[in-house]
Amino acid sequence: EVQVVQSGAEVKKPGESLKISCTASGYIFANYWIAWVRQRPGRGLEWMGIIYPGDSDTRYSPSFQGQVTISADDSISTAYLQWSSLKASDTAMYYCATPYDYGIHAFDIWGLGTLVTVSS
Amino acid sequence: DIQMTQSPPSLSASVGDRVTITCRASQQINKYLNWYQQKPGKAPRLLISAASSLHGGIPSRFSGSGSGTDFTLTITRLQPEDFAIYFCQQSYTSPWTFGQGTKVDLK
Repeated sequence: EVQVVQSGAEVKKPGESLKISCTASGYIFANYWIAWVRQRPGRGLEWMGIIYPGDSDTRYSPSFQGQVTISADDSISTAYLQWSSLKASDTAMYYCATPYDYGIHAFDIWGLGTLVTVSS
Repeated sequence: DIQMTQSPPSLSASVGDRVTITCRASQQINKYLNWYQQKPGKAPRLLISAASSLHGGIPSRFSGSGSGTDFTLTITRLQPEDFAIYFCQQSYTSPWTFGQGTKVDLK
């Protein structure tokens, strides 16, 4: 079964660092793009960026460039989203998703999400 | 960035109704338009890709149409499990962008 499994919920303080993960199974991780999508409480979906694990080609939304880092470790089929200094406004659900059947275009495989809460 | 505008933001409908949601892109995106459904506390689910291609396992009461800048998602004979939020997403050019969502609730 093709799936992506995300790491658990996190509660952090402003200024702290964080790295959340998304582990793929059931397919060749290196050969498929994987993206991160933010959803703030009660809000819509925001595409943050995408990585191709095979060559680490990474593309960011300008809204998130410099705010987060997307990376991947092909050896353990895992993608990461990390922050060096969290803000309260980073409080959100973060989804990883892969366009498994759709090249780079439509996301048909989604994780359950990682809830990140940033509060002093 | 390409802006995606959905209308209406919300609508109330009854089981059995026909529902239409529109999505307009701020510039032409050919047919690079996808539709998702999201229920409370759940991840989004892909319904339609490339404007009109039904994703595997999605009921045929869902359909999509359009190209260029104007797109439509139609649900014929609304079912109880269809009450949810629907998002469009363009994949014509990076950054991929989503519409703000349309909430379909029970009248």
